[in-house]
Amino acid sequence: DVKVTQSSRYLVKRTGEKVFLECVQDMDHENMFWYRQDPGLGLRLIYFSYDVKMKEKGDIPEGYSVSREKKERFSLILESASTNQTSMYLCASSLVGQGVGTDTQYFGPGTRLTVL
Amino acid sequence: TQLLEQSPQFLSIQEGENLTVYCNSSSVFSSLQWYRQEPGEGPVLLVTVVTGGEVKKLKRLTFQFGDARKDSSLHITAAQPGDTGLYLCAGELGNQFYFGTGTSLTVIP
Repeated sequence: DVKVTQSSRYLVKRTGEKVFLECVQDMDHENMFWYRQDPGLGLRLIYFSYDVKMKEKGDIPEGYSVSREKKERFSLILESASTNQTSMYLCASSLVGQGVGTDTQYFGPGTRLTVL
Repeated sequence: TQLLEQSPQFLSIQEGENLTVYCNSSSVFSSLQWYRQEPGEGPVLLVTVVTGGEVKKLKRLTFQFGDARKDSSLHITAAQPGDTGLYLCAGELGNQFYFGTGTSLTVIP
């Protein structure tokens, strides 16, 4: 079974703090993703990575950065947390797709971040 | 503006009823996926549809991809409390999947 784990289920931080969210997958997947999930907006892609040390911006990268130093680990960094970054953060991983419709993303349980 | 709009946003029904959830866009997708997310967990893939007009069945769940590959529907027959959850569609466009706004389903025993 693919397992994607996230470092915290709940996190409370103050405005201006630097926040690290960690994600680890155990299935040697090349692709890793960070999403945020807000009611009525679904999942929105923040950043993704196709390989170690590679990263691509998603739809809402502003205020976030990422790091992928090892294949199994993908970190999301909030350099200076703000209240509008209060959200559920979901990490996912997948193998490189072998064609249209072959990509399956496996999600972690999420981190609910509250910024006060 | 969301690329994929789902309707309804919330649905509360009695056990045994049938329901349909819709996922609509003006964009054409290479494939479309449906996920279910239970409280406190991440989304889990239910199905992937690739061909326009394709219909896939998963026990009491029927998934259809629109002929023009712009929309999809999920039909549940004889809903059960275990079907409760958030249903998300996701369309493949280029090298990325775009998720819908979600439909929260509650099935009351």
